[in-house]
Amino acid sequence: GAVVSQHPSWVICKSGTSVKIECRSLDFQATTMFWYRQFPKQSLMLMATSNEGSKATYEQGVEKDKFLINHASLTLSTLTVTSAHPEDSSFYICSASGWTDTQYFGPGTRLTVL
Amino acid sequence: AQSVTQLGSHVSVSEGALVLLRCNYSSSVPPYLFWYVQYPNQGLQLLLKYTTGATLVKGINGFEAEFKKSETSFHLTKPSAHMSDAAEYFCAVSTQGAQKLVFGQGTRLTINP
Repeated sequence: GAVVSQHPSWVICKSGTSVKIECRSLDFQATTMFWYRQFPKQSLMLMATSNEGSKATYEQGVEKDKFLINHASLTLSTLTVTSAHPEDSSFYICSASGWTDTQYFGPGTRLTVL
Repeated sequence: AQSVTQLGSHVSVSEGALVLLRCNYSSSVPPYLFWYVQYPNQGLQLLLKYTTGATLVKGINGFEAEFKKSETSFHLTKPSAHMSDAAEYFCAVSTQGAQKLVFGQGTRLTINP
């Protein structure tokens, strides 16, 4: 149980384009979803927290207009990287929590912006 | 604010030897503590967690951790390392259950044959 999927697992795009990453909780209802960014050989950095039906709460220093987060249902959250640039290249990981005290993580999406 | 310090960014042990990964935390309120494992190019998998109750917590793959309040520690151990244990391990703390995890910097575990 407690499976979280992400799609796509990897994406390559041109600079200036937008990319959407989906995060789904497959076997539980996720009241809260989180988006993290991880640079090579570093820890996870929380970007934002989203509750179903509410606006996301962004961490300090994260551009809200660049990283658009939507949590439209209890099983789906999306992260859209708008006007992506090479510095946005990273490993993006989502996690989800339901009615328990644990976050369950997706497999991650590697974004490469050329 | 909470914080986590993982002592040793890289730990190397021989197959069959004891694994000990150290984690110290800082929290002004009773913490929720977690250990996650990350294999290359993958997300994080929960190994074990401490919320309340018994301070010795058993997790998957033979790992366990002990919550020591007096030492503000939550070290991860496994009696006998296996090659498949090679991965990155993250300790994390929260004061609100599944809300806002604060991660340590991670410890890369290498297993020598």
